Amino acid sequence: NAGVTQTPKFRVLKTGQSMTLLCAQDMNHEYMYWYRQDPGMGLRLIHYSVGEGTTAKGEVPDGYNVSRLKKQNFLLGLESAAPSQTSVYFCASSYSPGVETQYFGPGTRLLVL
Amino acid sequence: AQSVTQPDIHITVSEGASLELRCNYSYGATPYLFWYVQSPGQGLQLLLKYFSGDTLVQGIKGFEAEFKRSQSSFNLRKPSVHWSDAAEYFCAVGYFGNEKLTFGTGTRLTIIP
Repeated sequence: NAGVTQTPKFRVLKTGQSMTLLCAQDMNHEYMYWYRQDPGMGLRLIHYSVGEGTTAKGEVPDGYNVSRLKKQNFLLGLESAAPSQTSVYFCASSYSPGVETQYFGPGTRLLVL
Repeated sequence: AQSVTQPDIHITVSEGASLELRCNYSYGATPYLFWYVQSPGQGLQLLLKYFSGDTLVQGIKGFEAEFKRSQSSFNLRKPSVHWSDAAEYFCAVGYFGNEKLTFGTGTRLTIIP
């Protein structure tokens, strides 16, 4: 039981490049979330999903897209990376929304030059 | 909109001393409250949570928190800190029927010998 895993752990991009971050969970959770963590800002919700095939915008969705084609996977895409997207990205999942524990992955550190 | 305030950005405590981290939430409905801990380079781990019932909640690693509705607070406490408690601590609030958790900006805890 691996919990929540994220790939890759670290990535360096040049401005304008694209990439996809992968999140996988093996707990059969319906709800999945992508956050970004920046110094002094805490965790801010980018996008989330309430089930396979669904996605919704969070607090800071601009510049990101997501897909949830399989229940266990939640992908976060950057189509044209910008230096402002330099951050640590965390994926989380939960059994039900808002009132249940969210389980976090180890994070992906992204540097955009 | 729901919000969480952690007024202390950084706290330094001597090993063996007691600890209290502050958290205030802002919303009218009955909140579901969480404390998470993030060790350096790691994801977030749940320390404890409050849904209803006894307002004093026990968590892992010897932590406890008390829900005070009159003060809209959910402060985290530990009677005697250990060097391994050095980490960043996040308070979060959720509500039944709301799909999202809202996180505070975090409090970084430093332990000195």
